[in-house]
Amino acid sequence: DPKIIQKPKYLVAVTGSEKILICEQYLGHNAMYWYRQSAKKPLEFMFSYSYQKLMDNQTASSRFQPQSSKKNHLDLQITALKPDDSATYFCASSQEGGGRSQNTLYFGAGTRLSVL
Amino acid sequence: GDSVTQTEGLVTLTEGLPVMLNCTYQTAYSTFLFWYVQHLNEAPKLLLKSSTDNKRTEHQGFHATLHKSSSSFHLQKSSAQLSDSALYYCALTSPNTGYQNFYFGKGTSLTVIP
Repeated sequence: DPKIIQKPKYLVAVTGSEKILICEQYLGHNAMYWYRQSAKKPLEFMFSYSYQKLMDNQTASSRFQPQSSKKNHLDLQITALKPDDSATYFCASSQEGGGRSQNTLYFGAGTRLSVL
Repeated sequence: GDSVTQTEGLVTLTEGLPVMLNCTYQTAYSTFLFWYVQHLNEAPKLLLKSSTDNKRTEHQGFHATLHKSSSSFHLQKSSAQLSDSALYYCALTSPNTGYQNFYFGKGTSLTVIP
């Protein structure tokens, strides 16, 4: 069973509209992240949260707003969508600590967004 | 700041030949190094992870050794298979620095041909 759930898997939007990408993790992790991957480009870090607080933001545009309503949720709201926003958006999570599975980033399956 | 540099771009290999993808890094802290593999239309998945100097780490036929003296964590495999065709990312994290962030290289696209 997937432990990081992203919804929806595919999303088609029109230019100028607003969408919310959902992410929930059931790994008990304290840190959550958003990454973007455009076609034929490398992974691009967007945001990191720890205990529901924003820790790092490498997204230049304020049109991208993460929202953390619960410890294991980190949604991504995107407003005024543009065709250049078309990409796969990956949510990820991690937990600091000394255990074997800790200090490791785990990814959700992604939401593929197409903006027309 | 922390950074990762890896063999960039495309690497094409004939099946059965050895694989070596380079990764070097820069950090001022103790660190974990990773290799992630991303197959087409899938999410990146952990392939290898290490924080121990000079210790070989192996998984699914791949191996890497963290060398702190040269800040390297090269990915190797003795014999490439068609199913190894994927995008490979080297990454690092430095825990206990206030918050945990992960730094990725730009990825290496490996194509294995018959």
